[in-house]
Amino acid sequence: GQNIDQPTEMTATEGAIVQINCTYQTSGFNGLFWYQQHAGEAPTFLSYNVLDGLEEKGRFSSFLSRSKGYSYLLLKELQMKDSASYLCAVRSTDSWGKLQFGAGTQVVVTP
Amino acid sequence: DSGVTQTPKHLITATGQRVTLRCSPRSGDLSVYWYQQSLDQGLQFLIQYYNGEERAKGNILERFSAQQFPDLHSELNLSSLELGDSALYFCASSDPGYRTNEQFFGPGTRLTVL
Repeated sequence: GQNIDQPTEMTATEGAIVQINCTYQTSGFNGLFWYQQHAGEAPTFLSYNVLDGLEEKGRFSSFLSRSKGYSYLLLKELQMKDSASYLCAVRSTDSWGKLQFGAGTQVVVTP
Repeated sequence: DSGVTQTPKHLITATGQRVTLRCSPRSGDLSVYWYQQSLDQGLQFLIQYYNGEERAKGNILERFSAQQFPDLHSELNLSSLELGDSALYFCASSDPGYRTNEQFFGPGTRLTVL
């Protein structure tokens, strides 16, 4: 089975940086995804990591350490529109692409 | 717009009733996934279909069933509805041929059971 942990909520100021951590336990790892979800809306894909290291995409970066079962999502130059829930999801090797999602981290950006 | 469509957007019904939620995947995507999102439980995987066949099952209740049709659209049937079934139901689709095989989510159906 899988167990995914991420903080419930984080608050940061506009223009700042926030790092959302995610730890996971899985029987066979085949990729980690980050999604952004605004309240009442669909999750939207942000990033994918399958090898160790950092993936950068504009203001968002995601890091993975498979040996530690650890990932983080880094949000830079925070904007008010970044206030949302950020979901960490793991795909295992025994699945057909199905994902196990963490409970999500609610990021609140303040002026 | 992800390219995944879901109908209806909102559904209000009574306990004991049966409803059908519909999903059309992105053009070319063979996999369809259904998720339930309640306030206290996060995004829960229900079931996956690939090209018409069931491939994976999550915490789907026996009162719930799904299928994927030859044109690849999918339906989720919820019966004997209970108050606790009130939630957002999302459909997602993906193409295993993509390197990342990320899932694209539809806008969801908000089900309210009174």
